[in-house]
Amino acid sequence: EVQLLESGGGLVQPGGSLRLSCAASGFTFSNYAMTWVRQAPGKGLEWVSSLNGGGGSTYYADFVKGRFTISRDNSKNTLYLQINILRAEDTAVYYCAKIRHGGDCADDWGQGTLVTVSS
Amino acid sequence: AIRMTQSPSSFSASTGDRVTITCRANQGVNNYLAWYQQKPEKAPKLMIYAASTLQNGVPSRFSGSGSGTDFTLTIDGLQSEDFATYYCQQYYTYPLTFGGGTKVEIK
Repeated sequence: EVQLLESGGGLVQPGGSLRLSCAASGFTFSNYAMTWVRQAPGKGLEWVSSLNGGGGSTYYADFVKGRFTISRDNSKNTLYLQINILRAEDTAVYYCAKIRHGGDCADDWGQGTLVTVSS
Repeated sequence: AIRMTQSPSSFSASTGDRVTITCRANQGVNNYLAWYQQKPEKAPKLMIYAASTLQNGVPSRFSGSGSGTDFTLTIDGLQSEDFATYYCQQYYTYPLTFGGGTKVEIK
């Protein structure tokens, strides 16, 4: 059974940083691209970033503007999202998800971790 | 970025109804279109990919159709567990983009 467990969320002041983690199990982690999707309170889904199985190809949403870095450690079966210069509008639940082979849609999701940016 | 527009944004229906949700892209995405279901306080669930292929375990009352710019999600015989918000997503090109969502409520 695929399991994705996010951690690292919390309350942070504007301008601060966080590193989100997503621990994966139940599948061969290195064989799959992974992605982060976020959802602001009461709002829709917003794609954040994706990277391939080896970690060498990364993709970002336009709003990231160099503030976010996606990475993975295949030896630890863990996906990361480093978020810097946090803004109030980054407040959201951040989901990690596994991308299915053959197309960049997500077939397994974690439960999400809440990031709140507030002073 | 490709813009995905869903309609309606919400509607009410009764169990047993046949319901259709529309998703339109402002440029062609071939059939690289997925549908997700999300219930309150839960993670999204992939329902359909490649515009019309049911994800494993998804009931056959769900179906998807379309190609290019116009897509539909149909639920034929709405069940109580189907009341949720549905999102389309194009994965034809980066940045990946979602529609704004369609909330299906109980009448």
